[in-house]
Amino acid sequence: EPEVTQTPSHQVTQMGQEVILRCVPISNHLYFYWYRQILGQKVEFLVSFYNNEISEKSEIFDDQFSVERPDGSNFTLKIRSTKLEDSAMYFCASSAPPGSGPFGPGTRLTVL
Amino acid sequence: RKEVEQDPGPFNVPEGATVAFNCTYSNSASQSFFWYRQDCRKEPKLLMSVYSSGNEDGRFTAQLNRASQYISLLIRDSKLSDSATYLCVVNEQEKLTFGTGTRLTIIP
Repeated sequence: EPEVTQTPSHQVTQMGQEVILRCVPISNHLYFYWYRQILGQKVEFLVSFYNNEISEKSEIFDDQFSVERPDGSNFTLKIRSTKLEDSAMYFCASSAPPGSGPFGPGTRLTVL
Repeated sequence: RKEVEQDPGPFNVPEGATVAFNCTYSNSASQSFFWYRQDCRKEPKLLMSVYSSGNEDGRFTAQLNRASQYISLLIRDSKLSDSATYLCVVNEQEKLTFGTGTRLTIIP
């Protein structure tokens, strides 16, 4: 069964540094998502991406965040200048029609 | 008011028992509804979709009441492997909105 994959599994960075989290969605899916989960809290929507543009974003997804599908297979989340409060699990998901597609295993981001 | 509200638990239930979880949601325009399961430090995994007519998948039964904006999940004959956090999830347009989850531990 096809899966969403994410790299790295764990990223440690210094506050103020840029990070790029990578995802490979399922190949025939058209909708791509990023969610995050701060330790002990609920899963929160960040952004959805369709037809090479952002279709919806949450209040969390401010100017420090950007997404890109650089080569038709990868889907990336960039955080330009990380803050301590960006420490969380970041999950990528994809779906064919919009909705409940599978999630990747996540990247644990630790900002020191 | 929280968008999706669940009792956080924990629920500690003996093996073989029946356990029920409930959830309410605030957005009456929500389009589809799900229960996800999340194991510790893992990604959420879809357990089942929820329909107004009610639906069953083995030991699991889900029900949606649109008028009351209420979703339920029933687990019968619980197994040790059912221990996890159960997430009530509502789909609005292109995003999923998650509840905080209900922690379930099945006791041998």
